[in-house]
Amino acid sequence: AQSVAQPEDQVNVAEGNPLTVKCTYSVSGNPYLFWYVQYPNRGLQFLLKYITGDNLVKGSYGFEAEFNKSQTSFHLKKPSALVSDSALYFCAVRDRGSGNTGKLIFGQGTTLQVKP
Amino acid sequence: DAGVTQSPTHLIKTRGQQVTLRCSPKSGHDTVSWYQQALGQGPQFIFQYYEEEERQRGNFPDRFSGHQFPNYSSELNVNALLLGDSALYLCASSLAAGFLDEQYFGPGTRLTVT
Repeated sequence: AQSVAQPEDQVNVAEGNPLTVKCTYSVSGNPYLFWYVQYPNRGLQFLLKYITGDNLVKGSYGFEAEFNKSQTSFHLKKPSALVSDSALYFCAVRDRGSGNTGKLIFGQGTTLQVKP
Repeated sequence: DAGVTQSPTHLIKTRGQQVTLRCSPKSGHDTVSWYQQALGQGPQFIFQYYEEEERQRGNFPDRFSGHQFPNYSSELNVNALLLGDSALYLCASSLAAGFLDEQYFGPGTRLTVT
């Protein structure tokens, strides 16, 4: 079965410092990985995805993620955190067993708290 | 360009009742997926509709059913509501041809079952 894990329920960082939100995956074959962000009372917003190619993926709002096949990880990063980045972050993997349906399997989520 | 819209925003129902949630996909999208997000959890896939048919189903009982209309909008129906059905229900749209594309999510419908 395919899955993703987000080992940290919450990450705290000071504004201006770099941030990392961790994600590890377990899939058969090549993974298709996504990061989404959820603000209070809002739906999920797409940040970035890894399909193939360069291991460093750049996305929206200055976020990037590093794909590491040997460590089966896809950590989300940002060089300088903003208070407005405080939100709930989800890592997801496309279910390879679902044919072409594009079903997503989500992690439990990590709350990012950026303090001024 | 209108994004994914869902209605209603909030809903309170009693155990045993039935509920219908609605979703309009992003303009140009032909596929709608439904997810359930319980408090403190990640979204769980319920099912997906394409060409007015259920294309794939997650691990949810038959009390959960859906429909897709010719204009690609969709409904999620839940019968015989249980307290455990209380959750945020998210609709996501995409293009069937864009298997590797991201899904676009609506703001969700918050369902509370009392």
